[in-house]
Amino acid sequence: AQSVTQLDSHVSVSEGTPVLLRCNYSSSYSPSLFWYVQHPNKGLQLLLKYTSAATLVKGINGFEAEFKKSETSFHLTKPSAHMSDAAEYFCVVSDRDTGRRALTFGSGTRLQVQP
Amino acid sequence: GAVVSQHPSRVICKSGTSVKIECRSLDFQATTMFWYRQFPKQSLMLMATSNEGSKATYEQGVEKDKFLINHASLTLSTLTVTSAHPEDSSFYICSGERIGETQYFGPGTRLLVL
Repeated sequence: AQSVTQLDSHVSVSEGTPVLLRCNYSSSYSPSLFWYVQHPNKGLQLLLKYTSAATLVKGINGFEAEFKKSETSFHLTKPSAHMSDAAEYFCVVSDRDTGRRALTFGSGTRLQVQP
Repeated sequence: GAVVSQHPSRVICKSGTSVKIECRSLDFQATTMFWYRQFPKQSLMLMATSNEGSKATYEQGVEKDKFLINHASLTLSTLTVTSAHPEDSSFYICSGERIGETQYFGPGTRLLVL
């Protein structure tokens, strides 16, 4: 079975400072990992995904995440937060080898950006 | 590209009535569509997976007779909540997947059952 744990339900940073959203996963097989962002009243948007290529994945809007198998982590980072980054972020896992393409979502991390 | 729409965006209905939610892939053919529900301040929970032209596969604990899913074409899937009750009030989100690619999500439908 696959699962995702987002270690922080809420993160608050100041504009211009770094962002770190933590995610640990559990998967029996080779996972695909994703980060999605959900703005209020908008659909989920894919930020980035890892599917066994480079372990450092660059996404949109300056976000990136590093896949660390030894730590079973896939933390999301951004060097400098912008006010528009305030949203709900979901870490998501999919077990590729089982052929089950359904996604398992983490509980979400709400990012607040202070001016 | 890869846009998924949902209609309606929000709906209010009386208890006991049925509500249909449409999910369309606008610029690609979605061989598989997924339906999720999201309660306030919670994560998305998968309800069912549907492949075009075949019966949907429901997750454990999801009543297939209550949540009817039809995937009649490669661009349209519908979710019908039958005999809706207040506990069915939630945010319903669909996603479409092209073969071997990422899922693309719709904007969601907020259902309120009075």
